[in-house]
Amino acid sequence: DTAVSQTPKYLVTQMGNDKSIKCEQNLGHDTMYWYKQDSKKFLKIMFSYNNKELIINETVPNRFSPKSPDKAHLNLHINSLELGDSAVYFCASSQDFPGDLANEKLFFGSGTQLSVL
Amino acid sequence: KQEVTQIPAALSVPEGENLVLNCSFTDSAIYNLQWFRQDPGKGLTSLLLIQSSQREQTSGRLNASLDKSSGRSTLYIAASQPGDSATYLCAVLYGNNRLAFGKGNQVVVIP
Repeated sequence: DTAVSQTPKYLVTQMGNDKSIKCEQNLGHDTMYWYKQDSKKFLKIMFSYNNKELIINETVPNRFSPKSPDKAHLNLHINSLELGDSAVYFCASSQDFPGDLANEKLFFGSGTQLSVL
Repeated sequence: KQEVTQIPAALSVPEGENLVLNCSFTDSAIYNLQWFRQDPGKGLTSLLLIQSSQREQTSGRLNASLDKSSGRSTLYIAASQPGDSATYLCAVLYGNNRLAFGKGNQVVVIP
């Protein structure tokens, strides 16, 4: 009964392809996120959704498009993959939007390692 | 610029020793600070969360302190065990609702 699950765990693909990563949380949380961890291990937020609404959209190429069909799911679609997209992508969730209560722990999925060849 | 720095990047300690991990951040206008643990190939697990109005939080052998004025937090792990080997990340939630992560302290506890 994993709290935040994302699939696939590993994704190897060619440049130029389009791919999707799926994320689901069974915690009943209202807010979900996508983070990118690069080769230098820096974690950076990409997107945040609160109750299916886009709240945070960092400076991310528009080849990356998040989609939230319901508040338990936040998928990430990537068009025209590039070498620089290779990284580990983490999905996360929290009960409320950070700052609303200033006491919201983040729960992370186990990551999707994307390798673009 | 909102930056989070963790020093040292990596450290090894013999089992039983106490661990002290440091996190420093620019911009003292924070909402909270979290310490996470990351195991290889795994996601992050939240260990402790300190609100901006708090000075410390404790959970078992873990204690985290927060000094906003100096922009510092310390994670203290008492009587370290081999199972504590992991990367520990500090993350600061700023007022613009951005969570800024440090690069982490990679810890190895030697049996």
